[in-house]
Amino acid sequence: DVKVTQSSRYLVKRTGEKVFLECVQDMDHENMFWYRQDPGLGLRLIYFSYDVKMKEKGDIPEGYSVSREKKERFSLILESASTNQTSMYLCASSLRSWGYGYTFGSGTRLTVV
Amino acid sequence: SQQGEEDPQALSIQEGENATMNCSYKTSINNLQWYRQNSGRGLVHLILIRSNEREKHSGRLRVTLDTSKKSSSLLITASRAADTASYFCATDFQGAQKLVFGQGTRLTINP
Repeated sequence: DVKVTQSSRYLVKRTGEKVFLECVQDMDHENMFWYRQDPGLGLRLIYFSYDVKMKEKGDIPEGYSVSREKKERFSLILESASTNQTSMYLCASSLRSWGYGYTFGSGTRLTVV
Repeated sequence: SQQGEEDPQALSIQEGENATMNCSYKTSINNLQWYRQNSGRGLVHLILIRSNEREKHSGRLRVTLDTSKKSSSLLITASRAADTASYFCATDFQGAQKLVFGQGTRLTINP
């Protein structure tokens, strides 16, 4: 089975810190995604990538950036963490652009204080 | 919004009963997918139904798709306590490279 691993389950950071959330998949999937999940708002797409060094903005990219230097790794960066970025962050991957299901990581619950 | 909408938002039934959740969407799709999320965890892919399919089964799961009504339903038969979770539909819109998720149905199975 494809495995998507997120580096941390829980993370507490201070306002203004630069935060890195790491995601690694082990099955050569082309596409990788970062979502955040908030009560009442569902899953919202932050960024996605369909190839190494390629990135596309999702619905809520402000305050975030991403990096995909290797096919298996997709990092989400909070340039200067703010309290409104406290959320559950979910990474996912899929084999191709469409027609395939996503495999999700277990999520990182980030709290910014 | 292109977002799919699930109905109901919450559903509570007795163990052994069937659970039905619905999803509606607004624009043409390539496929529609259903996911399960246990509390505080990531989502798990359950089933994918393509736009040219009308019904699909996987174990105790049955998914239907009506593209004329832009709606889908997920039926879980003979529910178990372990089915307690949130269920999300996700739509793969034509021309998009990403899934758009609904806000989910919270299903509770009472023993």
